[in-house]
Amino acid sequence: DAGVTQSPTHLIKTRGQQVTLRCSPKSGHDTVSWYQQALGQGPQFIFQYYEEEERQRGNFPDRFSGHQFPNYSSELNVNALLLGDSALYLCASTSGGLYEQFFGPGTRLTVL
Amino acid sequence: KQEVTQIPAALSVPEGENLVLNCSFTDSAIYNLQWFRQDPGKGLTSLLLIQSSQREQTSGRLNASLDKSSGRSTLYIAASQPGDSATYLCAVSIYNQGGKLIFGQGTELSVKP
Repeated sequence: DAGVTQSPTHLIKTRGQQVTLRCSPKSGHDTVSWYQQALGQGPQFIFQYYEEEERQRGNFPDRFSGHQFPNYSSELNVNALLLGDSALYLCASTSGGLYEQFFGPGTRLTVL
Repeated sequence: KQEVTQIPAALSVPEGENLVLNCSFTDSAIYNLQWFRQDPGKGLTSLLLIQSSQREQTSGRLNASLDKSSGRSTLYIAASQPGDSATYLCAVSIYNQGGKLIFGQGTELSVKP
């Protein structure tokens, strides 16, 4: 059973550029959440997708947007990149009931 | 607003020692609490999930307790090993928020051989 997968593993961009990160949830899961983790900090919730709709959103600007596809995979898009967007981006998946979250390996984004 | 705090921020112990990591939260209206392990630069591995109606969960050498009324959880690691060295994060989820997690900043554990 494949767990949560994310691509790419690492990414280097320059300020002002746009980036797209991808996530495939664990088999049987229908809900995908995205988190941003700055160095030395706990992950911060960005948003959550369920049934192809954004269900919850954290305190992140509109530059952060996402999408969920019919197969439950998801994308995170960040426009007009800032130096402060450099972080580890984590995807988590779950299904209803206990809502136990399973995380992927993350995408390390560096903005120069 | 729910806030999660973990103390200490870092801990160094000799191999074989039993240890306790602490997590506190400000709002007792949680749905569940999860403990995670994170190795440097890697994703999070789920260790234990405690539902709001439960008091503790055990997995191998790990035992997690939950006291909702006092807003506290502890992770007990028995007979620590160098391979236990990692950052340990606790996170709470809130009712009616679909499993959204609020994390503490983590405790960085180092187990010396």
